[in-house]
Amino acid sequence: QQQVKQSPQSLIVQKGGISIINCAYENTAFDYFPWYQQFPGKGPALLIAIRPDVSEKKEGRFTISFNKSAKQFSLHIMDSQPGDSATYFCAASMNTGFQKLVFGTGTRLLVSP
Amino acid sequence: NAGVTQTPKFQVLKTGQSMTLQCAQDMNHEYMSWYRQDPGMGLRLIHYSVGAGITDQGEVPNGYNVSRSTTEDFPLRLLSAAPSQTSVYFCASSKLQAESSYEQYFGPGTRLTVT
Repeated sequence: QQQVKQSPQSLIVQKGGISIINCAYENTAFDYFPWYQQFPGKGPALLIAIRPDVSEKKEGRFTISFNKSAKQFSLHIMDSQPGDSATYFCAASMNTGFQKLVFGTGTRLLVSP
Repeated sequence: NAGVTQTPKFQVLKTGQSMTLQCAQDMNHEYMSWYRQDPGMGLRLIHYSVGAGITDQGEVPNGYNVSRSTTEDFPLRLLSAAPSQTSVYFCASSKLQAESSYEQYFGPGTRLTVT
């Protein structure tokens, strides 16, 4: 059973466009929602994260939108660049004092020049 | 500061063979974990540890063993390799009592093929 559902599986966006990746979760005990970025041949790296007490968090061109009532959160990449081409994973964890992450299935983003 | 290191980078095993994937971190992180990454399935937690001498199972622990004798090292053992264990394996670490961001630092991965 997939606790965190991610869509789309793949995404092609023109340079300068907006990339949007969506995730939905079921477990209301989740209280930390990070996004990880992974380039080919590399390990994932934390991109941005949010807690459910805020509805939006922005860091540069990257924004997380969080809808607690719908149990959904999304990543928006503004002014997408070819260098953003990577696989993006959403994840969730509970407040247990350490991070036992549950990952989504990933979205492969390609930003065309 | 090397971060999280993993060896080997690539490995081919025959069915039934055993091996150990090595993971080390030099950030004095209490929490360490192992994930496997398979196409279309994201990353799934195999085992994790919150400190030396303490380990627990994740989502997909069958066929794998771990131990944590030091803070720095967290090896993953495949007892009798099976083709279903063909995957990319990532080790990760983080602080336990992080304040706002429980950032996990991932190693570069080990690509394992079992024939």
